[in-house]
Amino acid sequence: EAGVTQSPTHLIKTRGQQATLRCSPISGHTSVYWYQQALGLGLQFLLWYDEGEERNRGNFPPRFSGRQFPNYSSELNVNALELEDSALYLCASPGGGAFGTGELFFGEGSRLTVL
Amino acid sequence: SQQGEEDPQALSIQEGENATMNCSYKTSINNLQWYRQNSGRGLVHLILIRSNEREKHSGRLRVTLDTSKKSSSLLITASRAADTASYFCATFPGGYQKVTFGTGTKLQVIP
Repeated sequence: EAGVTQSPTHLIKTRGQQATLRCSPISGHTSVYWYQQALGLGLQFLLWYDEGEERNRGNFPPRFSGRQFPNYSSELNVNALELEDSALYLCASPGGGAFGTGELFFGEGSRLTVL
Repeated sequence: SQQGEEDPQALSIQEGENATMNCSYKTSINNLQWYRQNSGRGLVHLILIRSNEREKHSGRLRVTLDTSKKSSSLLITASRAADTASYFCATFPGGYQKVTFGTGTKLQVIP
């Protein structure tokens, strides 16, 4: 079974532009979690999509948005890019478990650099 | 905010030595997990320990959990150069959206 895939691997943008990142969860998995990992920091929860709906979002401004498609792949959009948006953006599929307590399976990430 | 805080932030050891990393957290959990991240790449799940467990082993990994102290430790025995990576603890209170990752311990194993 294919794992979580993300694209692009690297993306370079300038301030004020928009960035679009993509994620395909593990086949058959309906949930997608997005995280931001700024340099030298831990992971910050961004967004959770399940069954096509946004279920929860972390403490990020509205210019971070996304969507989930009928095939459960997901897109993360970052508008009006700022320098501090430079980070590794990770997508994850939950492994299940009762009450969402199993492991998370991560993609390799998309490195966004804002100049 | 980060609930899990790893200690030390960085660790450098010789191949064959043991590496110990610690994680402290603040709220009640359902389980605690450890992940590994090779430089700038995705995280890989290593081991999960439930709140009612005190110790768990997996290969060269040993994890302990002390819920009274809200702390956990990860021991890697007989380390190898390939173990060089960052290690993160993640606390699971129930519900993936509530998972909180620590800031990580950067481990360097010198051949």
